[in-house]
Amino acid sequence: DAGVTQSPTHLIKTRGQHVTLRCSPISGHKSVSWYQQVLGQGPQFIFQYYEKEERGRGNFPDRFSARQFPNYSSELNVNALLLGDSALYLCASSLELGTANEKLFFGSGTQLSVL
Amino acid sequence: SQQGEEDPQALSIQEGENATMNCSYKTSINNLQWYRQNSGRGLVHLILIRSNEREKHSGRLRVTLDTSKKSSSLLITASRAADTASYFCATDARDSSYKLIFGSGTRLLVRP
Repeated sequence: DAGVTQSPTHLIKTRGQHVTLRCSPISGHKSVSWYQQVLGQGPQFIFQYYEKEERGRGNFPDRFSARQFPNYSSELNVNALLLGDSALYLCASSLELGTANEKLFFGSGTQLSVL
Repeated sequence: SQQGEEDPQALSIQEGENATMNCSYKTSINNLQWYRQNSGRGLVHLILIRSNEREKHSGRLRVTLDTSKKSSSLLITASRAADTASYFCATDARDSSYKLIFGSGTRLLVRP
């Protein structure tokens, strides 16, 4: 079975542009989460979606938005890009909602560079 | 903000030696997880320990949890060059967000 897939793997944008990152969860997984990882730090939570509804949002500005589609795939959108948005964006899926007893399955990430 | 802090930030050992990484966190938790990341790519889940558990084993991995000290340790025994990676602890937020809060990671180098 395929794991979590993310596209594109690398992306270069300039300040002010917008970007859309895509994620396909493991088949049968209903929950998708997005994390931002700046070089040298641990991942930071951006969003969680379950059954197409936003179930959690991290401390990120409104320039960040996301959605989940009926097939459980997801998109992360970032508008008005800043240099500080340069990071590895990780998508993770899990079977159900909640982290108390569930592990996350991560994709390989999208490396975004903002120039 | 980061909930957990790993210690040490970097660790270099010889193949065959044991590697111990520590994680401290700030708030009460339901569970604590350890993840591994190779070369800045996706994270791979290693082990999950619940707040009512004190020790857990998985192959060459041993995880301990001390909720009174809000700390956990990950021991990798008989390390191999392939264990070279960054290791992160992650805790649940115990709020409505269902997020995981990751520490800053320990970069492990296993020299052949």
